[in-house]
Amino acid sequence: GAVVSQHPSWVICKSGTSVKIECRSLDFQATTMFWYRQFPKQSLMLMATSNEGSKATYEQGVEKDKFLINHASLTLSTLTVTSAHPEDSSFYICSAAPGTGGRYEQYFGPGTRLTVT
Amino acid sequence: GENVEQHPSTLSVQEGDSAVIKCTYSDSASNYFPWYKQELGKGPQLIIDIRSNVGEKKDQRIAVTLNKTAKHFSLHITETQPEDSAVYFCAASKGNTGNQFYFGTGTSLTVIP
Repeated sequence: GAVVSQHPSWVICKSGTSVKIECRSLDFQATTMFWYRQFPKQSLMLMATSNEGSKATYEQGVEKDKFLINHASLTLSTLTVTSAHPEDSSFYICSAAPGTGGRYEQYFGPGTRLTVT
Repeated sequence: GENVEQHPSTLSVQEGDSAVIKCTYSDSASNYFPWYKQELGKGPQLIIDIRSNVGEKKDQRIAVTLNKTAKHFSLHITETQPEDSAVYFCAASKGNTGNQFYFGTGTSLTVIP
C-alpha cells in the first residue's frame, strides 16, 4: 500500500516551453501533497505544499508563476514548469500525505528528471 | 524554524556489520521522525519512523532510537547487506496533517561485499 506514481519519469524539453508533471496517490487519498526539487548529491528542497482544492503554499524563493501547482483531487497533483530554462533542469519529486487517522507519513513518488536544452 | 543535522555524510561498512546514522534536531515541538532510503535515480522510500511518545522502534534489521531530552535520533541497521547501499535521509516534523518535513543532509551508505 501507499504507492505514489509520477509521470513522466523523465522529460527533455526545449528552453521556453512548458512541462507538466503529474503526481498520483494510487491506493490512498492524500490530504496534502508536496513538491520537492533535488540537486545531485543534495537533500530534498521543499518547493510547495498543496491541499486539495486550495492554492498551493510556496516556499520562499520559489516563483509561483513559474512553478504552477494544481491539486485538483485527493489523488492528483500537477506541477507545471512554465517557460523552462536550463537552470530548471533538476530532479523533481512529489510526496503525498494521507493526513487522516493520525497518519503523519509522506510517501514519495519515483521522481521526474527534467532536462531543459 | 527546525534545523536537522545528520552525520556521517558517508559511511562504508563490511557486509554483515552494523551501520549507525545519527541526526539531531533543534525544535522541541517536533514529534515525528521518519527515515527514508533513496536509491540512485529513485524517490525516497519510507523505511521506518518513530513518534516522540516512544524511545525505540524495530523492524527486522532496522531500528530507530529517539532521545527527546537530547533532541537526537538514530538509525541502526544490523547485518548489513549490499542492497542496503543507498542514501539515507532523516527528517523531523511536528506531525500535524500537512506539516512540513525538515530533512537532514543525507548519508551515503556503502556496504562492501
